[in-house]
Amino acid sequence: NAGVTQTPKFRILKIGQSMTLQCTQDMNHNYMYWYRQDPGMGLKLIYYSVGAGITDKGEVPNGYNVSRSTTEDFPLRLELAAPSQTSVYFCASSPRQVLYGYTFGSGTRLTVV
Amino acid sequence: KQEVTQIPAALSVPEGENLVLNCSFTDSAIYNLQWFRQDPGKGLTSLLLIQSSQREQTSGRLNASLDKSSGRSTLYIAASQPGDSATYLCAVATLSGGYQKVTFGTGTKLQVIP
Repeated sequence: NAGVTQTPKFRILKIGQSMTLQCTQDMNHNYMYWYRQDPGMGLKLIYYSVGAGITDKGEVPNGYNVSRSTTEDFPLRLELAAPSQTSVYFCASSPRQVLYGYTFGSGTRLTVV
Repeated sequence: KQEVTQIPAALSVPEGENLVLNCSFTDSAIYNLQWFRQDPGKGLTSLLLIQSSQREQTSGRLNASLDKSSGRSTLYIAASQPGDSATYLCAVATLSGGYQKVTFGTGTKLQVIP
């Protein structure tokens, strides 16, 4: 069981470039999430999805977009990258409800220069 | 608004010591609380999940307790080992505006010295 798989692990972007962070889970979880983790800060929720075709904003959605065309995949799109988006990004999933806890991917370290 | 605090931010102990990590939260109406371990440059690994109806959970040398009334959880690590060195985060799930929201603490960085 692979769990939650994120790609790439590392990426350097120039200001204004765009990219997509990929996230795939093989546990048939309905709920998926994108978080960012900045040094000394707790994880902040960017977007989440409660099932294929359904997404919603979290605490810090500005500058990002998501889609959920299948249960397995939940890509995060950065448009017009800015230095403030330098962070570590984590994808997570959970069964129908958070009641059953999270499974996290290994993260993508993004630097915008 | 739920706030989750973990104190201390860093802790250094000699190998073999028993230790306690603390997690405090402001809203006691929680669904569950989860403890994670994060190794440098890695993702979060779930250690223990405590449901709101439970008082504690145990896994090997780890024991997590939950006291909703006081807004506290502790993670007890017995006979610490250098391999326990990592950052430990707690996360609290609550209901906010119809959405099940999870709030993370900023973590306690543990170093176990051989």
